Amino acid sequence: KQEVTQIPAALSVPEGENLVLNCSFTDSAIYNLQWFRQDPGKGLTSLLLIQSSQREQTSGRLNASLDKSSGRSTLYIAASQPGDSATYLCAVSTDSWGKFQFGAGTQVVVTP
Amino acid sequence: NAGVMQNPRHLVRRRGQEARLRCSPMKGHSHVYWYRQLPEEGLKFMVYLQKENIIDESGMPKERFSAEFPKEGPSILRIQQVVRGDSAAYFCASSPKEGTPGNTIYFGEGSWLTVV
Repeated sequence: KQEVTQIPAALSVPEGENLVLNCSFTDSAIYNLQWFRQDPGKGLTSLLLIQSSQREQTSGRLNASLDKSSGRSTLYIAASQPGDSATYLCAVSTDSWGKFQFGAGTQVVVTP
Repeated sequence: NAGVMQNPRHLVRRRGQEARLRCSPMKGHSHVYWYRQLPEEGLKFMVYLQKENIIDESGMPKERFSAEFPKEGPSILRIQQVVRGDSAAYFCASSPKEGTPGNTIYFGEGSWLTVV
């Protein structure tokens, strides 16, 4: 059974610092891995999708890496801003394209 | 192109009543997924549907819960005889044809069910 773990559970940084969020998973046979952002009382916003054949994806200040063999993914957010404050979720798909196993999330607070 | 639309956004039901949550996928998407987020817990997969077919319901509770995605109209998650433990946020997601390179899954804003 796939298990997804996110460390740390919470993170507080001053504005301008880089953020490093970690995700680990137990079964390396994945379809894809996706990082989401969730604001309180809101739905999920997809940030980056990494397919199983890829090693990283980049979008603006965000970069996500994938190491299937070690069961790890890391989300980097450069030059953090207060607007980056949210919960970040890592999700791994193993059975089918949209069936994800989610981590518990990392709650990020960026202070001005 | 409108996103995944869920309604109602908030629903209050008394114990024993029925709750119906609706989800309209993004235009052109034929795959729908339902997830549940219980208080202080992570998101859990419930069911995966295509038009008129349930593909995977391994995450659905065995009793009181059902889901459908008819040929016409939205997908519906139905909870009969609700109990307080059903209070949660229910998220719907949609995606286009499975396996299309680069495709991602899009989530709706969620439906918050409160059972009193």
